[in-house]
Amino acid sequence: DAGITQSPRHKVTETGTPVTLRCHQTENHRYMYWYRQDPGHGLRLIHYSYGVKDTDKGEVSDGYSVSRSKTEDFLLTLESATSSQTSVYFCAITDSYNEQFFGPGTRLTVL
Amino acid sequence: AQSVTQLDSQVPVFEEAPVELRCNYSSSVSVYLFWYVQYPNQGLQLLLKYLSGSTLVKGINGFEAEFNKSQTSFHLRKPSVHISDTAEYFCAVSGPSSNTGKLIFGQGTTLQVKP
Repeated sequence: DAGITQSPRHKVTETGTPVTLRCHQTENHRYMYWYRQDPGHGLRLIHYSYGVKDTDKGEVSDGYSVSRSKTEDFLLTLESATSSQTSVYFCAITDSYNEQFFGPGTRLTVL
Repeated sequence: AQSVTQLDSQVPVFEEAPVELRCNYSSSVSVYLFWYVQYPNQGLQLLLKYLSGSTLVKGINGFEAEFNKSQTSFHLRKPSVHISDTAEYFCAVSGPSSNTGKLIFGQGTTLQVKP
């Protein structure tokens, strides 16, 4: 198993509150990704990182920010959570053949 | 821009029957193609991938897929399914030109294997 952990695994929060999700890897891979999974949409890329302090937007980046201060950690922040951000969030990392390894996911509910 | 369409949202099948899950993609450049499986309440696991070479790709758990460039398809097949194959399956595409590894996913197909 690729060494990827996500925390928390489950979170319930209220509209308007800030939320930070953490992804941690032990593989020293350069690329890290945040996706959200919603029924009927598959997985959609939120943001990705190609190195420490190097990040870029994905398909559905509005309302989200990311930070990567260390190779092993990639943080996803919802500055002010909304009900439309209720979803399952997956972190992934890539090796040299573009094969992505996924974390176990974080289920976020925004009330 | 690249896109992926999985043609069936749900596929019910009886145990030991063959199954095909269909995937079409759109891209103006060469692509890498992937099938991932997601068991309930778990992350995604790679089943197989096409990067180059032989168009018939074999993966784990007896699955295989065929890359058809003219039809822009990458259908997943298994000759005899088991109850344990019940899961959601995702087709995904990326490209060697992107050099970032970003994946574009299809909407997913739920495979329901019945006894």
